[in-house]
Amino acid sequence: SQELEQSPQSLIVQEGKNLTINCTSSKTLYGLYWYKQKYGEGLIFLMMLQKGGEEKSHEKITAKLDEKKQQSSLHITASQPSHAGIYLCAVGTSYGKLTFGQGTILTVHP
Amino acid sequence: SQTIHQWPATLVQPVGSPLSLECTVEGTSNPNLYWYRQAAGRGLQLLFYSVGIGQISSEVPQNLSASRPQDRQFILSSKKLLLSDSGFYLCAWSVLEDTQYFGPGTRLTVL
Repeated sequence: SQELEQSPQSLIVQEGKNLTINCTSSKTLYGLYWYKQKYGEGLIFLMMLQKGGEEKSHEKITAKLDEKKQQSSLHITASQPSHAGIYLCAVGTSYGKLTFGQGTILTVHP
Repeated sequence: SQTIHQWPATLVQPVGSPLSLECTVEGTSNPNLYWYRQAAGRGLQLLFYSVGIGQISSEVPQNLSASRPQDRQFILSSKKLLLSDSGFYLCAWSVLEDTQYFGPGTRLTVL
């Protein structure tokens, strides 16, 4: 089975700072999803990457999938308190099922 | 546009009591439906998925069951809750194997 490892497990930054979260797979990624979750709420879909070298951006969040398709990174530029939450990467398997990483908890201090 | 609802939002139940959590989707037909459980606010574990009415697949053996009585309704049940059933339960939908969209979740505490 495919496993995803996220790093770091938690991250505390000052508002305005840039940060990067990594997601590494034990196997080649054919469809990598990034979600964000605020505590006690559902997951919000951010982006989906499929092709090696692909990069997508949404507001101040950029996600990349490396050429070998085994690692993805999520980069936040000029972080804001609204970026705080849990970031989860996930890979799609058969029937659309998702396998998730363990999540990265982001805290942004104003 | 599509909307997904979960009910109830929070639930506190004694050990040994039954459980019924409901998930409904609006604005789409014949969606794939999924139940996940999240422990300690971290990674999610897939419990059940359904590709159509009455079609349920279980991912892990456990004290829970799922049913899909209608196209856009997915129910998670238990006859007798265990302490280990506590957690945050999330329902999700997708069109075939496309992106999954999640509901607001149900926080279950078993005492």
